[in-house]
Amino acid sequence: GQNIDQPTEMTATEGAIVQINCTYQTSGFNGLFWYQQHAGEAPTFLSYNVLDGLEEKGRFSSFLSRSKGYSYLLLKELQMKDSASYLCAVKDSNYQLIWGAGTKLIIKP
Amino acid sequence: DVKVTQSSRYLVKRTGEKVFLECVQDMDHENMFWYRQDPGLGLRLIYFSYDVKMKEKGDIPEGYSVSREKKERFSLILESASTNQTSMYLCASSFSGMGDTGELFFGEGSRLTVL
Repeated sequence: GQNIDQPTEMTATEGAIVQINCTYQTSGFNGLFWYQQHAGEAPTFLSYNVLDGLEEKGRFSSFLSRSKGYSYLLLKELQMKDSASYLCAVKDSNYQLIWGAGTKLIIKP
Repeated sequence: DVKVTQSSRYLVKRTGEKVFLECVQDMDHENMFWYRQDPGLGLRLIYFSYDVKMKEKGDIPEGYSVSREKKERFSLILESASTNQTSMYLCASSFSGMGDTGELFFGEGSRLTVL
């Protein structure tokens, strides 16, 4: 079967750095997405990786290793507004998205 | 500003009632999707559509149907609501162009409670 694993919940301190991991086993791979979802709101796009390596976008970076079936989202200089759920999703060989259950990130002052 | 609009943020229905969830996008996207989101589970695809009057079953279509009469509108129908359909329903759309990532744009969600 197809599977996406991410930690259920993480806690970090304002101003610090946090890394949210995502491992996947899917039938084929055509890209990996990270979305942010604040409580009660719609998910919003953060990043897309299709080749190995690090993609940096301001305070957020996303890394992909296709051989290891692994990605992480790195958030730097954490702010209280970064408290949200972070969803990992993989596009499989049929170009369908397989979603992880999401990681709830709690930022403490 | 691009937008996906869902008709109702909160609905409370009784078992057996017919429920319509409407979704409209203003981005001229070809692709539209209906997901449900439940605690501890990833988003699960109910139905999707790649074109007007076209629909495809997702992973959990049982108990649901859809309608896409116009490009911008994708409706989810629960013919006879049941308590296990209590959930958050998310509509999304995406562009279908060469080289496009397939990024999804989501609506705010419709939280349905079936009593």
